[in-house]
Amino acid sequence: DAGVTQSPTHLIKTRGQQVTLRCSPKSGHDTVSWYQQALGQGPQFIFQYYEEEERQRGNFPDRFSGHQFPNYSSELNVNALLLGDSALYLCASSLFSGLADNEQFFGPGTRLTVL
Amino acid sequence: SQKIEQNSEALNIQEGKTATLTCNYTNYSPAYLQWYRQDPGRGPVFLLLIRENEKEKRKERLKVTFDTTLKQSLFHITASQPADSATYLCARRTPGAGSYQLTFGKGTKLSVIP
Repeated sequence: DAGVTQSPTHLIKTRGQQVTLRCSPKSGHDTVSWYQQALGQGPQFIFQYYEEEERQRGNFPDRFSGHQFPNYSSELNVNALLLGDSALYLCASSLFSGLADNEQFFGPGTRLTVL
Repeated sequence: SQKIEQNSEALNIQEGKTATLTCNYTNYSPAYLQWYRQDPGRGPVFLLLIRENEKEKRKERLKVTFDTTLKQSLFHITASQPADSATYLCARRTPGAGSYQLTFGKGTKLSVIP
């Protein structure tokens, strides 16, 4: 059983460009969350997708957008890249339920460098 | 707004000793606190969850405590091993059905010296 997978592993872009990151959730999971982790910091919540809709959003500008597909996979899009967008982008999957003990599984991340 | 603070950026201990990591929170008590392990270049791995009405949770060599008076959670690794060296993250989970928004601290980098 594959866990959460993300692609690409690494990415280098220049300021002003646009980027799309991809995530496939763990088998059986229906909810995908995205996090940004700057060097030396903890992950910061970007948004969560369930049933192809954005359900919750953290304090990130509209340049960050996402999508969830019928097979539960997800994309994170970032427009007009800034140097400060350089970070490890983590995808996490879970099962949408009220059970507190439901574990959230993280992928290995995509390292984005903006030059 | 709710903040999660892990005051120690780094902690070095001798192999075999007990490592104790601290997580403090501000304002209201989080319904759930979670601890994760993160190795360099990898995503966080879930270790333990503790509810605000629980005082202690254990899993093998790991123990987590929750003190709502001190607004603090302590994470212990007993009989530490070099393989325990990693960054440990504390996170508050936003309560609510299906909600999985986590607010993380900066993490504490633990180094276990042989």
